[in-house]
Amino acid sequence: DTAVSQTPKYLVTQMGNDKSIKCEQNLGHDTMYWYKQDSKKFLKIMFSYNNKELIINETVPNRFSPKSPDKAHLNLHINSLELGDSAVYFCASSPRGRVAGELFFGEGSRLTVL
Amino acid sequence: AQSVTQPDIHITVSEGASLELRCNYSYGATPYLFWYVQSPGQGLQLLLKYFSGDTLVQGIKGFEAEFKRSQSSFNLRKPSVHWSDAAEYFCAVGEADTGFQKLVFGTGTRLLVSP
Repeated sequence: DTAVSQTPKYLVTQMGNDKSIKCEQNLGHDTMYWYKQDSKKFLKIMFSYNNKELIINETVPNRFSPKSPDKAHLNLHINSLELGDSAVYFCASSPRGRVAGELFFGEGSRLTVL
Repeated sequence: AQSVTQPDIHITVSEGASLELRCNYSYGATPYLFWYVQSPGQGLQLLLKYFSGDTLVQGIKGFEAEFKRSQSSFNLRKPSVHWSDAAEYFCAVGEADTGFQKLVFGTGTRLLVSP
């Protein structure tokens, strides 16, 4: 069983469209994240949820809206897509705690905006 | 704010040779440090981590890293590289003051392994 799974793996769309990426983890972790990896491989945190509650929001444009229906799922919806949104989006999870340990990453969702 | 610097964008190593990837961090308190590896088209996998205690930490796949507070470094090493080690390597520092795990990543080092 895949620990952190994301769908879709690839997404190609036009500017201005709205799209969603889904993430599910079966590790029983309380905390989930979205990271964005740009074309230069730089990884930056976007959001973090703990048990459905938003705890980190890294000045991401309002066009990005995460939703966590339960602690095992964290979805990312993007409105009015722009060329600069093209990137690989990684979902991750971790157990909660001050010494929280490692992040477990999904395989990524490559978004291409034309 | 904390930051991580990986000064080498690319490194090429011959198969069987030793490897050292450099990582320097900036963080006021004792950092939580990590090395992740990303194979092409894959997510990131943890190689090893340092929280406290012994400054030489062992990881998976024969990797080790040494925390040197005086140099603000956490370099990754492997005594003998295999062709399958070719990948992107990321150093990261954890911000733990909020009680939640927020990682700041370096820009990565691409390892190429020559025959």
